Amino acid sequence: GQQLNQSPQSMFIQEGEDVSMNCTSSSIFNTWLWYKQDPGEGPVLLIALYKAGELTSNGRLTAQFGITRKDSFLNISASIPSDVGIYFCAGQVGQGAQKLVFGQGTRLTINP
Amino acid sequence: GAVVSQHPSRVICKSGTSVKIECRSLDFQATTMFWYRQFPKKSLMLMATSNEGSKATYEQGVEKDKFLINHASLTLSTLTVTSAHPEDSSFYICSARRNRGRGAHNEQFFGPGTRLTVL
Repeated sequence: GQQLNQSPQSMFIQEGEDVSMNCTSSSIFNTWLWYKQDPGEGPVLLIALYKAGELTSNGRLTAQFGITRKDSFLNISASIPSDVGIYFCAGQVGQGAQKLVFGQGTRLTINP
Repeated sequence: GAVVSQHPSRVICKSGTSVKIECRSLDFQATTMFWYRQFPKKSLMLMATSNEGSKATYEQGVEKDKFLINHASLTLSTLTVTSAHPEDSSFYICSARRNRGRGAHNEQFFGPGTRLTVL
């Protein structure tokens, strides 16, 4: 079945540092999504990518849809304490009612 | 806009009882909702796809008689864990797909989750 490999699994950084995480797949996806999950909460959509090569920003967050359609990365610039949480990538094959395939998550910890 | 609620947020029950979890899209209609299960420090695992007015589609390995899904309206889907046992304890999360018409991107929005503890 389709799988997403997300790395790194965890990151420990200092406040103010930039963060980079990525997802790769052996399958092609037509949509890439990045979510953030806080403890005890549901995932919140950060960025949605719909075109190969697309680069999209949301404040300090930037994500790109890989040109091969098999990968995506998320960058966070100048990290702040509220960036702490688990970040998930998710891929979707079609625009219809296709289910999402999730990566394993990247747990971000920030030292003040 | 695009708010999804779940109720209850936490539930503790005795082994053998049934528990119903509600998922509501508050400001949009959702013909399709999804139910996920998440174990501690793990990713989300899709359990089933809930379609309004029709039977749910379950993922491989998920017992449909154990996890009953009803999508009675365009804003409400329910998940009932029947005869719950301690191994059913988990974090259950729903999502709702907002329909934007043909050719548009249909985004999924997640509820806040329900923590189920079976004693």
